[in-house]
Amino acid sequence: EVQLVESGGGLVPPGRSLRLSCTVSGFAFGTYAMHWVRQTPGKGLEWVSCISWNGGNVAYADSVKGRFTISRDNAKKALYLQLNNLRPDDTALYYCTKDIIDYSVHGFDSWGQGTLVTVSS
Amino acid sequence: QSALTQPRSVSGSPGQSVTISCTGTSSDVGSYNYVSWYQQHPGKAPKLIIYDVTRRPSGVPDRFSGSKSGNTASLTISGLQADDEADYYCSSYAGSFTYVFGTATSVTVL
Repeated sequence: EVQLVESGGGLVPPGRSLRLSCTVSGFAFGTYAMHWVRQTPGKGLEWVSCISWNGGNVAYADSVKGRFTISRDNAKKALYLQLNNLRPDDTALYYCTKDIIDYSVHGFDSWGQGTLVTVSS
Repeated sequence: QSALTQPRSVSGSPGQSVTISCTGTSSDVGSYNYVSWYQQHPGKAPKLIIYDVTRRPSGVPDRFSGSKSGNTASLTISGLQADDEADYYCSSYAGSFTYVFGTATSVTVL
């Protein structure tokens, strides 16, 4: 069974940093692109970042480019998102998601339950 | 990276069909056959129901179907059931490992 478990969320004041983690099991982690997707309470989904299966390609939404950094450790089966210079509009539930097809990018297959990031003074 | 446009809400009676549109641009929906659809019930994580425009993951009923024409993709739910009442999102690959989501459609079963 595919499982993704996010952690690291919390309440932080504007300008501070957080590091989100996602640990996975049940699939060949090193062969899938991985993504972070966020959802503002009561609102829609927003794609945040993608990292290729080997970490050689990364991409970010314009809204987080230059502030967030995605990374992965295939040996530990872990995905990370470093959030710097946080703003109130970064407040959201952050989901870790697995791509649908290995060695490719097609969309978002399995999802974790999310970790809540709240940016407020 | 502008959000794809979906109707805010659609509704139908049990057994009827509803169709949700998802309009993007020639840079996303129009350029790639990597449109996917997600169902989200309140308090739950999204669930993949359609990928690559028309493909269904195993376990998803064939009442759910997808299509695409030009810059607009569509999700059709046939034989509407009470459990289909949820929010639905489309998403499209937009090149260079980037994606964009739609604005969400709330489906109400009357």
